[in-house]
Amino acid sequence: KAGVTQTPRYLIKTRGQQVTLSCSPISGHRSVSWYQQTPGQGLQFLFEYFSETQRNKGNFPGRFSGRQFSNSRSEMNVSTLELGDSALYLCASSSTGTANYEQYFGPGTRLTVT
Amino acid sequence: AQSVTQLGSHVSVSEGALVLLRCNYSSSVPPYLFWYVQYPNQGLQLLLKYTSAATLVKGINGFEAEFKKSETSFHLTKPSAHMSDAAEYFCAVRAGGTSYGKLTFGQGTILTVHP
Repeated sequence: KAGVTQTPRYLIKTRGQQVTLSCSPISGHRSVSWYQQTPGQGLQFLFEYFSETQRNKGNFPGRFSGRQFSNSRSEMNVSTLELGDSALYLCASSSTGTANYEQYFGPGTRLTVT
Repeated sequence: AQSVTQLGSHVSVSEGALVLLRCNYSSSVPPYLFWYVQYPNQGLQLLLKYTSAATLVKGINGFEAEFKKSETSFHLTKPSAHMSDAAEYFCAVRAGGTSYGKLTFGQGTILTVHP
């Protein structure tokens, strides 16, 4: 099976702009989670989508939003970018067939805000 | 609420030596515990998981971890380090119930392996 894919891999944006990142989960996986990774804060949970519905949400401002499509692909959007949004954004998918919900991660999108 | 503490942000070992990476967790409910590895400019790769089936868990690449409820620990070990083990390692916890796809991660431990 193909793994989790994320596009684009690298992105440079300017403060105040908005950005959309895309994630395609492993075939058959219906849960998609997003994480932000920075040197200072480490790995932080953004949100999780399952069957096109947000099921869990982390402690991020409303500028961070996401959605999931009927084919389980997910996008996350960050509006009004700030310098502090520079990070590696990781997407993970999991199968609802296992109670432990082990997550499989994509390679990430490296976002740089200037 | 769940939390994870990884003791030691950097660990250095010689090739062939024992690797021990420490992880302590806090969870109000029986946890699911995971170890992930991250190589430079890559995503996270699952090494192993604890789901209450067995307290000693074997993973990929010769790694294993032991769940000790009394110590709230889930330390990662490997008997003999290899140069290719150099990477950053993350311990993570997921509470049961409705937390589903939410993992709480430790701050990570960078493992350096010297020849």
